[in-house]
Order: sequence, then structure tokens, then C-alpha cells
Amino acid sequence: DADVTQTPRNRITKTGKRIMLECSQTKGHDRMYWYRQDPGLGLRLIYYSFDVKDINKGEISDGYSVSRQAQAKFSLSLESAIPNQTALYFCATSDLVTGELFFGEGSRLTVL
Amino acid sequence: AQSVTQPDIHITVSEGASLELRCNYSYGATPYLFWYVQSPGQGLQLLLKYFSGDTLVQGIKGFEAEFKRSQSSFNLRKPSVHWSDAAEYFCAVGVQAGTALIFGKGTTLSVSS
Repeated sequence: DADVTQTPRNRITKTGKRIMLECSQTKGHDRMYWYRQDPGLGLRLIYYSFDVKDINKGEISDGYSVSRQAQAKFSLSLESAIPNQTALYFCATSDLVTGELFFGEGSRLTVL
Repeated sequence: AQSVTQPDIHITVSEGASLELRCNYSYGATPYLFWYVQSPGQGLQLLLKYFSGDTLVQGIKGFEAEFKRSQSSFNLRKPSVHWSDAAEYFCAVGVQAGTALIFGKGTTLSVSS
């Protein structure tokens, strides 16, 4: 089983719908992240969490919210999806010694 | 603020030829440096990392990278490219372990036969 699991892997939705992307990890890491990938733009940070009670906005947090339900779970929500939120979303955890990020397989979201 | 620049958007290399992908960063101190690879339709896999010690680091799949402080660079190299190396490559920077990484916009590598 993957260390970082994202669900759903693919989702098509309509403008205005609420969407939740879920992430769970078995790495035992405290720090978790949500990134968004768009062609030609690389990965951009949406939100990050250093522990259950510590949640921080990233570079592009507008239109998104997150919930850290437990050390192992970190969810990303789009309260009212819009077409320019169509993207590939990655959840990641980080190693406190090396700084390496461990990524999930990604969730591809299409907003029509 | 930290930033990462990958000057080449797309590179085509013949199979068996050598490869160098460029990465420049902006940060006052020595950062944590990473190269990730993303094959088509796949997630991101770590190729190699640097945070201290020998400035020439070896990674998986025959890749290596060299940290050059004077040039603020961390270029990725491979002596002989294989068709399976065709993918998108991302350079990333962190200011310390456990912080969010800042990614470059990526370089797409195509391999011709």
C-alpha cells in the first residue's frame, strides 16, 4: 500500500459544487501539504499543516479550505468549485531530517 | 522570498547522449535542494537531494547533481539518456527540513531515437 493515499483519484464536477479531496498517510509525519499542479506552472502550495492544531495558508489558498482531522489525515475542500480550479492536486508529507517530500499519486479534478 | 528557476521548458536529447538540466535558486543561505521526476500520468518521485556534505550527489536511475554555491545552481546530469527517462523534471528548494518546498516550473525531457 502507498504511504500517502489520495481519494478520489479522478473527479469531474460542475461549477458551484462543493468538493473534498482526502489524504491519509502512514509515514508518521507531522507535517502535511497540499499542492496544485498546472501545466507550465509547476507545483504551487495551497495549504500546509505542521500538526493537528497548526494550519497555514500557502501561495494560492483563495477558494480553498483544509481540515486536519488527525496526524494521518489532511483534507482539502473547494466550497464552490470554479473551472479555473481544474488541476492536478497533490498531498505530501515531509521528513524533518532530510526535508524530503513524499507525495500521493495525485487527484485530478475537472470543474465544468 | 525564495525562488527556483528552471530556464529550459523543453529539451530533446538523443538516446545515449548526455543530459544536463539547469536549476537556479534564490536564497541567502544554503538551502535544501531536490530533483523530482514525474513520468506521464504519474506522481512525483524523488531523484536525489542535497542538504549538506559532498556537493556532488548521486541519485537513482543513474542521475547526479552538483550544488554550486557561487552560481546558486543545482544542475541535474546523466551521462547516457534512455528512452524511459522521458518525463517532466522538477527542481525544488526548501529553507530547512520540514518546511514546504518551492518548486520550479519544470523541464520536459523528450528522448529521440
